[in-house]
Amino acid sequence: QQKVQQSPESLSVPEGGMASLNCTSSDRNFQYFWWYRQHSGEGPKALMSIFSDGDKKEGRFTAHLNKASLHVSLHIRDSQPSDSALYFCAASEPGYQNFYFGKGTSLTVIP
Amino acid sequence: GGIITQTPKFLIGQEGQKLTLKCQQNFNHDTMYWYRQDSGKGLRLIYYSITENDLQKGDLSEGYDASREKKSSFSLTVTSAQKNEMAVFLCASSLGVQDTQYFGPGTRLLVL
Repeated sequence: QQKVQQSPESLSVPEGGMASLNCTSSDRNFQYFWWYRQHSGEGPKALMSIFSDGDKKEGRFTAHLNKASLHVSLHIRDSQPSDSALYFCAASEPGYQNFYFGKGTSLTVIP
Repeated sequence: GGIITQTPKFLIGQEGQKLTLKCQQNFNHDTMYWYRQDSGKGLRLIYYSITENDLQKGDLSEGYDASREKKSSFSLTVTSAQKNEMAVFLCASSLGVQDTQYFGPGTRLLVL
């Protein structure tokens, strides 16, 4: 069973719009969450980490974590065509290096 | 900043062949990882290493061996390549536990 589930599988938003990506974990031991972005032909790059409940904002990107519901989201405001990529959610337990990645959400920003 | 280098960029092998992928990092990170990325399946952990000469199996270790002879390098061997296998193998490193992972560009494998 996939320990980290992402939705939607794909998403299209107009340039300047808001993109919202979701991630849910099935393991209550997960305490640490990351969002990674992968452009075609490249390796994933970390966007941001979130370890505490609530919101974390970095520029146009805002992550929200609710540990009680095991749900983390990523919101991208003022989306740009360069934001078109595959977005992964990753989670881990305290003290373990074993990371679990979701299957990803493919985001397309339409000019 | 630092960089992760993966070689080769593309690898074409024959069924049953033993194939080795290499990864080098100059971040001076302690922990290194190997992931396999298949279309529609996300990233799955094959092996990781928390220090030189350490090896830990991930969920997808069957059919693979790994080697961490130096802090800066981590190799992955496909022990017997499977026909029609096509995937991207990603190497990553991090400073330590719960730290952000930095990925290389990947090695694309095709088995004929």
